[in-house]
Amino acid sequence: AQTVTQSQPEMSVQEAETVTLSCTYDTSESDYYLFWYKQPPSRQMILVIRQEAYKQQNATENRFSVNFQKAAKSFSLKISDSQLGDAAMYFCAYRSPPSGTYKYIFGTGTRLKVLA
Amino acid sequence: EAGVAQSPRYKIIEKRQSVAFWCNPISGHATLYWYQQILGQGPKLLIQFQNNGVVDDSQLPKDRFSAERLKGVDSTLKIQPAKLEDSAVYLCASSLVARITDTQYFGPGTRLTVL
Repeated sequence: AQTVTQSQPEMSVQEAETVTLSCTYDTSESDYYLFWYKQPPSRQMILVIRQEAYKQQNATENRFSVNFQKAAKSFSLKISDSQLGDAAMYFCAYRSPPSGTYKYIFGTGTRLKVLA
Repeated sequence: EAGVAQSPRYKIIEKRQSVAFWCNPISGHATLYWYQQILGQGPKLLIQFQNNGVVDDSQLPKDRFSAERLKGVDSTLKIQPAKLEDSAVYLCASSLVARITDTQYFGPGTRLTVL
């Protein structure tokens, strides 16, 4: 069965610094998608970035980038130039391809605190 | 464009009572999801609709939970009877279709407390 593990319950970063959030997953599939979602306090969850497993190039969205290591089943999120508005819960998620048994699995989350 | 709407935002009930949650997805979105997010955990997918048909409900506790999406637009999730362990935030999300690359847009959630 697929699993998603976020081993850091909480992280802190100084404003303008860089922080990396870790995520590992387990699957026997070769084709899948990985996501990072942000859930600010009392606000809606939003998609930060996604990575297709068949793409070797790491995805980037402005200050957010991922380090995708398929063989190691690792998918970390790097936030550069951290801002106060980045403070939130961050969830890593795995989604299986449409064919076969459908799976959409979230990790337990990492709470990011940004210090002024 | 208007986002995903959910109501009520908060609900407190006694165990063994019934409760219903409502979700209105973004206009034109064919796919609708219901998630259960227990405190300290990530969201767990309960059910996915494509238009008014069920795509996946493998993690829905069907002895007490039910969901419907009439006319492929609004959806209702019901719990009957509720248990203490059902206390959670219930999130609704929608996407344009069910392609794996489609972005899911989440609503604000309904926080359920079962006493």
